[in-house]
Amino acid sequence: KNEVEQSPQNLTAQEGEFITINCSYSVGISALHWLQQHPGGGIVSLFMLSSGKKKHGRLIATINIQEKHSSLHITASHPRDSAVYICAALVGGSNYKLTFGKGTLLTVNP
Amino acid sequence: ETGVTQTPRHLVMGMTNKKSLKCEQHLGHNAMYWYKQSAKKPLELMFVYNFKEQTENNSVPSRFSPECPNSSHLFLHLHTLQPEDSALYLCASSQELPVNSPLHFGNGTRLTVT
Repeated sequence: KNEVEQSPQNLTAQEGEFITINCSYSVGISALHWLQQHPGGGIVSLFMLSSGKKKHGRLIATINIQEKHSSLHITASHPRDSAVYICAALVGGSNYKLTFGKGTLLTVNP
Repeated sequence: ETGVTQTPRHLVMGMTNKKSLKCEQHLGHNAMYWYKQSAKKPLELMFVYNFKEQTENNSVPSRFSPECPNSSHLFLHLHTLQPEDSALYLCASSQELPVNSPLHFGNGTRLTVT
């Protein structure tokens, strides 16, 4: 069992819908990253957070340290949001070893 | 433009070949990483360099050999690879360790070993 679990694995939405992707982890962490990977492989860092909530445009990331849970929300989704979303946690007191989730494939249809 | 450039984008090599992957960043970052992404598996950390010094060799077989000549460049030298080494190899950088600043990834090298 991976220390970082994402759900759902696949998500299909209609343009304009509100999207939530979840990430749970089983150990203590010091930071959590949300990443976006488009077809072709390139990965973009969306957020890095260790507490609370961050917002950038239509994207919102939250983390609840006590519940060991983070969520990525997309408001007013658009087909260009279609990508794989990956959460990664800095676990076990390591200062460089990120544990990655398997990713959530999001498809937003027009 | 991601700020991290990887070459080549695609590479096909036989099991007896020797090839190198190159990564370059001019973001002024001090930490650089090699990751492997195999189909249907999470990203796996291979190597970490911090201020040009290797910090981590995550039990990677010796047929993969990293080199970090300066803080802007990172290489992954490949020799006598196996077909199961076929994967997307991603380079990344961050300002420093610990990784509590954003990671910047290259577009990756898609490696096929025949």
